[in-house]
Amino acid sequence: GENVEQHPSTLSVQEGDSAVIKCTYSDSASNYFPWYKQELGKGPQLIIDIRSNVGEKKDQRIAVTLNKTAKHFSLHITETQPEDSAVYFCAASIGNAGNMLTFGGGTRLMVKP
Amino acid sequence: DADVTQTPRNRITKTGKRIMLECSQTKGHDRMYWYRQDPGLGLRLIYYSFDVKDINKGEISDGYSVSRQAQAKFSLSLESAIPNQTALYFCATSDRGLWPYNEQFFGPGTRLTVL
Repeated sequence: GENVEQHPSTLSVQEGDSAVIKCTYSDSASNYFPWYKQELGKGPQLIIDIRSNVGEKKDQRIAVTLNKTAKHFSLHITETQPEDSAVYFCAASIGNAGNMLTFGGGTRLMVKP
Repeated sequence: DADVTQTPRNRITKTGKRIMLECSQTKGHDRMYWYRQDPGLGLRLIYYSFDVKDINKGEISDGYSVSRQAQAKFSLSLESAIPNQTALYFCATSDRGLWPYNEQFFGPGTRLTVL
C-alpha cells in the first residue's frame, strides 16, 4: 500500500520567515495530495490540496508543489505568523481506492514572535 | 468542525473493559471514517463506511469494531481495551460528490487512555 513520509517532524521559525514541509509518497498511482492543519485541541482541517495534473497551487500565503517524477510534494508558508503554529499533515490518495487518505507523520510548526 | 461531534471527549478506562466512542454529523455526508492519531505516526485509518450498509476495514482494524446506526452516526468499539490502544481518536466525514477529491471534515477528537 501507499506509504507517506513527512519531514521535518518539528520546525521552528521566526515570525515573518518562510516554512517548508516536505513529503514523499511511494505509490505512483496516487493522484490527490491534501494538506491538513491541526490546531491544539482540534481536529485536522484541510488548508490546501493539489491534484496530479497540477504542479503548483497557491492560496494567499500558502502554496503546494508537486513533483510526480520524484514522488514528492511540499507545503510552503510565507510570511509566517504566530497563528500558523500548529501540526501539519500531508496525505496522499489513490483515486480508485475510494478516497482513502494515507497521512504522513505530521510536522509541528512553531512560529516565534 | 462543529458539524462533526464526538463523545466522550476524554475517557480513561482499564485494560479489558469494553468502550464505545460515538460520532455524529449534521453535514449530511454519506461517508464516515474512524482514525487514530499517535505521535509521529500521523493519522491511521481504522474503519470507514460509505453508507449505512457499507463498512470496510482500514489499515489497523484489529481490536476494533464499528457500527453505522444511521447516516449521521458511526460508533467505534473496543471490545477489550489494551494499553497500546491509548491514543487520540478522530471521526471524519466526506461527501460522495467530486470523488476522489473530497475534503474530509474531522471531529474534535476523543482522547482515550487505557490503564
